Amino acid sequence: DAKTTQPTSMDCAEGRAANLPCNHSTISGNEYVYWYRQIHSQGPQYIIHGLKNNETNEMASLIITEDRKSSTLILPHATLRDTAVYYCIVRPPSGDKLIFGTGTRLQVFP
Amino acid sequence: DAMVIQNPRYQVTQFGKPVTLSCSQTLNHNVMYWYQQKSSQAPKLLFHYYDKDFNNEADTPDNFQSRRPNTSFCFLDIRSPGLGDAAMYLCATSRDPLETQYFGPGTRLLVL
Repeated sequence: DAKTTQPTSMDCAEGRAANLPCNHSTISGNEYVYWYRQIHSQGPQYIIHGLKNNETNEMASLIITEDRKSSTLILPHATLRDTAVYYCIVRPPSGDKLIFGTGTRLQVFP
Repeated sequence: DAMVIQNPRYQVTQFGKPVTLSCSQTLNHNVMYWYQQKSSQAPKLLFHYYDKDFNNEADTPDNFQSRRPNTSFCFLDIRSPGLGDAAMYLCATSRDPLETQYFGPGTRLLVL
């Protein structure tokens, strides 16, 4: 399974966009990029996933580079409740499990 | 709202005393997963059920067992908990193995 590299931690001011990068340089053509987040002492929460095209839902946007070697999760207007660990996961289409990396700890401050 | 439910949220057991954690779902999903998450670490898959078919991860200790009596419920049994088994245990479900997984709130296990 392709590995991912994420910054250990990031800060973001409330109301500003939070841009969380993820490198996955060994991704294969049919592997999906998934994003989950985990707020302290809660279960991981699905955010978004994509294959090649950029994706947007009510929570976030996912921007995948053309070569698919990296992606960025965008929270357009961060709130204090977005403080969490964000996991970027590369998942093969035949993969029946999620392999979590170390994630990025996002701290949103007032 | 359809959801994944784990009770209790906190469970205390004694060293060596069997303990069972429970998970239920109202999503009618075919697959149910159990993950272990130790302090300051990422979740790690222990095993999963696809319908009635049990799939164990190669490095899951024998001390951990699971039962799925019906579509809605899945149990994690720890036969003889050790201090190293103290962790958050997360249940997740998906419609099929290739689709998005949805997690419950977790049960935090403390072993005394």
